[in-house]
Amino acid sequence: AQKITQTQPGMFVQEKEAVTLDCTYDTSDQSYGLFWYKQPSSGEMIFLIYQGSYDEQNATEGRYSLNFQKARKSANLVISASQLGDSAMYFCAMREREYGNKLVFGAGTILRVKS
Amino acid sequence: GAVVSQHPSRVICKSGTSVKIECRSLDFQATTMFWYRQFPKQSLMLMATSNEGSKATYEQGVEKDKFLINHASLTLSTLTVTSAHPEDSSFYICSAINPRSGGAKNIQYFGAGTRLSVL
Repeated sequence: AQKITQTQPGMFVQEKEAVTLDCTYDTSDQSYGLFWYKQPSSGEMIFLIYQGSYDEQNATEGRYSLNFQKARKSANLVISASQLGDSAMYFCAMREREYGNKLVFGAGTILRVKS
Repeated sequence: GAVVSQHPSRVICKSGTSVKIECRSLDFQATTMFWYRQFPKQSLMLMATSNEGSKATYEQGVEKDKFLINHASLTLSTLTVTSAHPEDSSFYICSAINPRSGGAKNIQYFGAGTRLSVL
């Protein structure tokens, strides 16, 4: 079974609008961390936001917020007020305590922001 | 600014040659670094975990004699692709955990990646 599932291969959003990128995960571990990374066409991986399994509040970092629904095992990324520079590939990733600091990545979602 | 530096960004080499890729943590000490491989339009696949002062831990299916990893200092890990062949052409990217990322987050920060083309 896939550990991380990103069901949206590609998404479009109008500039200045909000967009939600979906991520569901599968784990039996009680302690885990969820991450979102952005990969522009240049290839670098940019850390965006982190959510711990025991965190009660949804994580927020500037225009990024994580909609964490533990019972549903989902960790959707919400980008508010989209900008042209947000066009990139977005990866959801999970770290399980059982496997130390290893990250498992989803397949990614390509986001295109339209002007 | 970047906290993990990776060099070179791009390398083209002939089949049969070896290529070394460096990964440096710039303002922190990293006892653990990671090496990933990414094929076009695909996700990142962990190749190995590089541990300072000890042998790397390779993921299943990754040839340790093909992809040599050395983590000789707290700020430098190297990946050497030995006797490279065209099927080794790929995007290789490293990461390091910043111990100052706070609490139990252990956030991995990535280098800019190396695009390897083997002719």
